[in-house]
Amino acid sequence: EAGVAQSPRYKIIEKRQSVAFWCNPISGHATLYWYQQILGQGPKLLIQFQNNGVVDDSQLPKDRFSAERLKGVDSTLKIQPAKLEDSAVYLCASSHGTPNTEAFFGQGTRLTVV
Amino acid sequence: DAKTTQPTSMDCAEGRAANLPCNHSTISGNEYVYWYRQIHSQGPQYIIHGLKNNETNEMASLIITEDRKSSTLILPHATLRDTAVYYCIVRETGRRALTFGSGTRLQVQP
Repeated sequence: EAGVAQSPRYKIIEKRQSVAFWCNPISGHATLYWYQQILGQGPKLLIQFQNNGVVDDSQLPKDRFSAERLKGVDSTLKIQPAKLEDSAVYLCASSHGTPNTEAFFGQGTRLTVV
Repeated sequence: DAKTTQPTSMDCAEGRAANLPCNHSTISGNEYVYWYRQIHSQGPQYIIHGLKNNETNEMASLIITEDRKSSTLILPHATLRDTAVYYCIVRETGRRALTFGSGTRLQVQP
């Protein structure tokens, strides 16, 4: 089966600009996650969707970050305006949504803010 | 979710078994132990998970102590491609988001 697809693979922007990342989860997966991974650290959850509803966005910096999952399939994560500290890899993952099933991750988008 | 403690780094000779320890002394009865790994420039990859019993799949074996306060991930015959950061994660039943720590950086030496 096809894995989690993310684009773009790399992005370089100037601070205060906006950027958007796209994720296509594995077909049939109800749960979708966005994680932020700063260099040298483990991934940190930003937001979790169940179908097209938000389950957990407690660690999402809502003043600048937004995410949506239209029709319960694809998702976009946006940053506006970007700061230097937003430089990181943004990982999308999906799972069936039933308890105790594993999550599958995409390759991520590496964002550099200059 | 219970906190986990892992060594920062480990080395293993190619062809030998790699044994990666994880301490989770505050684990509760309904929390599972998951292992993921992350090879350089890739997303995390699921390896295995378990609750009480030892588990084995085509990638690895998971040994959980009887008191569940620690576990060991075993890669039976490590190869250079197993060089990665390995994350031990404790997750409460029903919760779907994984909370990652810093993991163990495993270097397989030729």
